Amino acid sequence: DTGVSQNPRHKITKRGQNVTFRCDPISEHNRLYWYRQTLGQGPEFLTYFQNEAQLEKSRLLSDRFSAERPKGSFSTLEIQRTEQGDSAMYLCASSSSYGPGSGNTIYFGEGSWLTVV
Amino acid sequence: AQSVTQPDIHITVSEGASLELRCNYSYGATPYLFWYVQSPGQGLQLLLKYFSGDTLVQGIKGFEAEFKRSQSSFNLRKPSVHWSDAAEYFCAVGISNFGNEKLTFGTGTRLTIIP
Repeated sequence: DTGVSQNPRHKITKRGQNVTFRCDPISEHNRLYWYRQTLGQGPEFLTYFQNEAQLEKSRLLSDRFSAERPKGSFSTLEIQRTEQGDSAMYLCASSSSYGPGSGNTIYFGEGSWLTVV
Repeated sequence: AQSVTQPDIHITVSEGASLELRCNYSYGATPYLFWYVQSPGQGLQLLLKYFSGDTLVQGIKGFEAEFKRSQSSFNLRKPSVHWSDAAEYFCAVGISNFGNEKLTFGTGTRLTIIP
C-alpha cells in the first residue's frame, strides 16, 4: 500500500492556461474524490467517482473544471482557462466500499498546489 | 445540510500539557465523524474516526475523541502533547448517501507547541 499519489506536487501557471493534475489512488480502492483547499480553510468537496462513473459534482466545479477516471484506476483533474481564484491545493482521496465500514474511511494524498499568476 | 464548527482558530499549549480541540457538528442523522491532521504544505492524515458503538474512540499518536450526541460535539484530546503535534487539525462529518461518504470539514484549528 503506497498511499494516494498526486502529481505534480506544485504547479505555477499563467492566467488563462490549462493545467492537469493526476491522482493514483490506493490499489483496489474503487472510490476516488477530489477536494480543493484554499489558505486558512478546510478542504471542500469537488467531485466523486465510483469506479469510472462520476457520481456527484459540487457546484464549486464550474464548467472550466473537468475530472475523469477512464479505467476506474487513476484520475485526472483539468482546469481550463485558469483564473487567479483557482489558486489552491487540490487534494485527491480514495476509499473502498468493500468490507463493513471500510467505505467510510477516506485516505488523502499530499495534494497538488496550484498558483495562478 | 451538514456543517462543522471548530470555534478555536489557533491554540497554543506548552509541551507536556494536555490538549482539547473542540468540534461541533450539525447533521440530521447519525454522523460519521473524523479528525484529520495536516502538517504545513502536506495532505491530511486520519487520526481517528467514529461510526457507531463506543463513544470514546482511540486514534493514532495518542489522540482520543469523545462523541457526545446531546452536545453535537466530537472533541479531540491528548493528555500530553509533543512538539511534533504542532500542525493544523480538521474535524469532519461524513454523510453516507447511497454509498457516497463525502466529507464536510471545519475550518481547522492551528496548534502551536511552546517549549
